[in-house]
Amino acid sequence: AQKITQTQPGMFVQEKEAVTLDCTYDTSDPSYGLFWYKQPSSGEMIFLIYQGSYDQQNATEGRYSLNFQKARKSANLVISASQLGDSAMYFCAMRGGTGGFKTIFGAGTRLFVKA
Amino acid sequence: GAVVSQHPSWVICKSGTSVKIECRSLDFQATTMFWYRQFPKQSLMLMATSNEGSKATYEQGVEKDKFLINHASLTLSTLTVTSAHPEDSSFYICSAPRSGYSNQPQHFGDGTRLSIL
Repeated sequence: AQKITQTQPGMFVQEKEAVTLDCTYDTSDPSYGLFWYKQPSSGEMIFLIYQGSYDQQNATEGRYSLNFQKARKSANLVISASQLGDSAMYFCAMRGGTGGFKTIFGAGTRLFVKA
Repeated sequence: GAVVSQHPSWVICKSGTSVKIECRSLDFQATTMFWYRQFPKQSLMLMATSNEGSKATYEQGVEKDKFLINHASLTLSTLTVTSAHPEDSSFYICSAPRSGYSNQPQHFGDGTRLSIL
């Protein structure tokens, strides 16, 4: 069965500093996709970044980058130059393989950015 | 702009009432949609996969008779919480993949906050 693990319930970061949110996953399928979503207090899910299992390079999207270590089955999100608006819940998610289109989510990490 | 519309945003109703939540894909056809439930400060739990023209596929532990799903068209899926009770109070959110490619993120509705009194 597929599984996503986020072990950091909460994280604090100083404004303008970088922060890494951890994510490990478990799957026996060779083909899968990994996603990070941001959920502000208003509830909507905002897509941040995607990494495919066959991608050779780590994904980057603006201030977001994904540290993909396939052998370790980890897909950590790095947010550079944190902003106050980055305070939110962050979910790591996986899709593909035997799960098909289904996307499963980790428990989430709440990020607090301090001024 | 939003590509998946979910309605209503908030529902407050009495125990025993049935509540219908709609999820629409606005500018694409969605043969598959997903329904999630989220308790406060917790993750999204997949409840079921809604399939256009066929029965929904429910995740283990989800009551099919309590959470009725209908996917009558390529742009609309509905979730009906039947005979709702306070324990059904939660945040329900739908999503749909725009294309058949697994590298594309799902598009989420803005969610429905359901409160049963």
